Amino acid sequence: DAGVIQSPRHEVTEMGQEVTLRCKPISGHNSLFWYRQTMMRGLELLIYFNNNVPIDDSGMPEDRFSAKMPNASFSTLKIQPSEPRDSAVYFCASSRGAGQGASEQYFGPGTRLTVT
Amino acid sequence: SQKIEQNSEALNIQEGKTATLTCNYTNYSPAYLQWYRQDPGRGPVFLLLIRENEKEKRKERLKVTFDTTLKQSLFHITASQPADSATYLCALSGTYKYIFGTGTRLKVLA
Repeated sequence: DAGVIQSPRHEVTEMGQEVTLRCKPISGHNSLFWYRQTMMRGLELLIYFNNNVPIDDSGMPEDRFSAKMPNASFSTLKIQPSEPRDSAVYFCASSRGAGQGASEQYFGPGTRLTVT
Repeated sequence: SQKIEQNSEALNIQEGKTATLTCNYTNYSPAYLQWYRQDPGRGPVFLLLIRENEKEKRKERLKVTFDTTLKQSLFHITASQPADSATYLCALSGTYKYIFGTGTRLKVLA
């Protein structure tokens, strides 16, 4: 299996621009997670999907962030408009299970976002 | 709010010794506690999961303990090797909830 695939691996954009991050989870996994990692705040859960349905988006920082999962093999995280404080590494992860927390998560390689 | 604390300072140990990393948490009673390894420029990789009703879990040179009274987990790497150098993250998990610590950087000196 190819593992979790994320694109792009690096993104540099100017403040105010729209940014779209993409994720392909491992086939057969029914849970998908978007995380943001910074030195100061560590790894923060942004949103969690189970069977393509958003279950918990309480970690999404503000309305500028949105996420979709149109099917079991694809998800996007969009930031519009982007700001310098959004600069971070964004990870997508997937797992089996129905969300009780008992399943290991498989992380993608991450997208390093820099907003100037 | 829930909080996880891992030693933010790097841990340096000599090759062959046992490394012990600590994870403390407050304001939460997780059903599970997980440990991950993260290398620079890469995503975290799952190592071990322990349930709230388990005291200890082992996998090869790794051992995890879980004390729900102290609200603490200890992660041990025995016979440490330079290849074990990485950042180790603990994570609390329960129904629809995953909370990661900021990680402890381990360096094993040859």
